[in-house]
Amino acid sequence: EAGVTQFPSHSVIEKGQTVTLRCDPISGHDNLYWYRRVMGKEIKFLLHFVKESKQDESGMPNNRFLAERTGGTYSTLKVQPAELEDSGVYFCASSPRVGPRETQYFGPGTRLLVL
Amino acid sequence: AQSVTQLDSQVPVFEEAPVELRCNYSSSVSVYLFWYVQYPNQGLQLLLKYLSGSTLVKGINGFEAEFNKSQTSFHLRKPSVHISDTAEYFCAVTLYSGGGADGLTFGKGTHLIIQP
Repeated sequence: EAGVTQFPSHSVIEKGQTVTLRCDPISGHDNLYWYRRVMGKEIKFLLHFVKESKQDESGMPNNRFLAERTGGTYSTLKVQPAELEDSGVYFCASSPRVGPRETQYFGPGTRLLVL
Repeated sequence: AQSVTQLDSQVPVFEEAPVELRCNYSSSVSVYLFWYVQYPNQGLQLLLKYLSGSTLVKGINGFEAEFNKSQTSFHLRKPSVHISDTAEYFCAVTLYSGGGADGLTFGKGTHLIIQP
């Protein structure tokens, strides 16, 4: 069974540009999460999809970030326009069932550097 | 709001020695507790989790953790480490009540460095 995949693995962009990150969850997992780790800090929750609906987006930092999950399969996270402080590693995770007890399966992350 | 503290950013240990990675949490409500490991160039992988019942939880690769409610701790231990245990370890919690908020709250991580 394929794990969670993320694309690209690395992205280097200039301040003001737009970047779109993609996450493909494990097949059949209705729950999809986005997290971010800024250098030197802890991994922070951004948002949670159940199928195509946003269950919880309390961690989204501002309106420059837009997450979508059309059709309830893969998800994209767009940053527009990117700022220096958006640099970090963006992780995606998925789980088969909703609930705080469930194990989340993580992808390898996308390393974003904004210059 | 809940928080997780991992006081040690790095823990150097000799191969075959025991290790303990410390984790303390703060929350006004009950939590579920997790330890994840990240090997170089890989995603996070679940080591173990505490949901209920016995406070001693056994996980993969010979790791175990003990939940201590009075001390609000969930320390991770291994009696004898191997060079392949070199990785970054993350303690995390979710809220017992959930209420739709299932996102993990992480600590800052601890680099376990195994010395031959």
